[in-house]
Amino acid sequence: GEDVEQSLFLSVREGDSSVINCTYTDSSSTYLYWYKQEPGAGLQLLTYIFSNMDMKQDQRLTVLLNKKDKHLSLRIADTQTGDSAIYFCAESPDPGGFKTIFGAGTRLFVKA
Amino acid sequence: DTGVSQNPRHKITKRGQNVTFRCDPISEHNRLYWYRQTLGQGPEFLTYFQNEAQLEKSRLLSDRFSAERPKGSFSTLEIQRTEQGDSAMYLCASSRGAGELFFGEGSRLTVL
Repeated sequence: GEDVEQSLFLSVREGDSSVINCTYTDSSSTYLYWYKQEPGAGLQLLTYIFSNMDMKQDQRLTVLLNKKDKHLSLRIADTQTGDSAIYFCAESPDPGGFKTIFGAGTRLFVKA
Repeated sequence: DTGVSQNPRHKITKRGQNVTFRCDPISEHNRLYWYRQTLGQGPEFLTYFQNEAQLEKSRLLSDRFSAERPKGSFSTLEIQRTEQGDSAMYLCASSRGAGELFFGEGSRLTVL
């Protein structure tokens, strides 16, 4: 079945770049998402990319997609302590949420 | 606050008891989703409504689980005869059509 894999932890120093990686198995994935979850809060959509794109940039966030390897990454430039959270990669064959498969999340620690 | 609201935020119950969670979506959103999130995992889809119609149910949703959205506004998720394996965070999300999912803060269930 479909699966989304992420590394569990990432630790960076404040001001450095963070790169969170994700691999997925469903070749019919059309929509690939990054969500952020802060402690005690719900998931918040950070950004998404369509499968016909290679890259998307949004302020400090850069998403790279290698469709051949089914690899997605999220780069956060100039990481701040407020970026400390769990980041979930997710994929879906269509924009409806009922088919969205989430990874287990990568916990990002930002050291001051 | 016009976000997705979930109540109660935390419920502790004894095995065998029934529990009910409520979700109030963003008012103009016609789709409402329930997900379950266990520790260290990403959200897993349970069920979704378009207006008052329940259109999809996951295999995770056993006969002890029932969800309703009687007037196409708020929704309830009831778990009967709770088991320790039901302990999890139950997340509600809403969207306008197939658009972005907006998540609530979740209802944490602890079954003793």
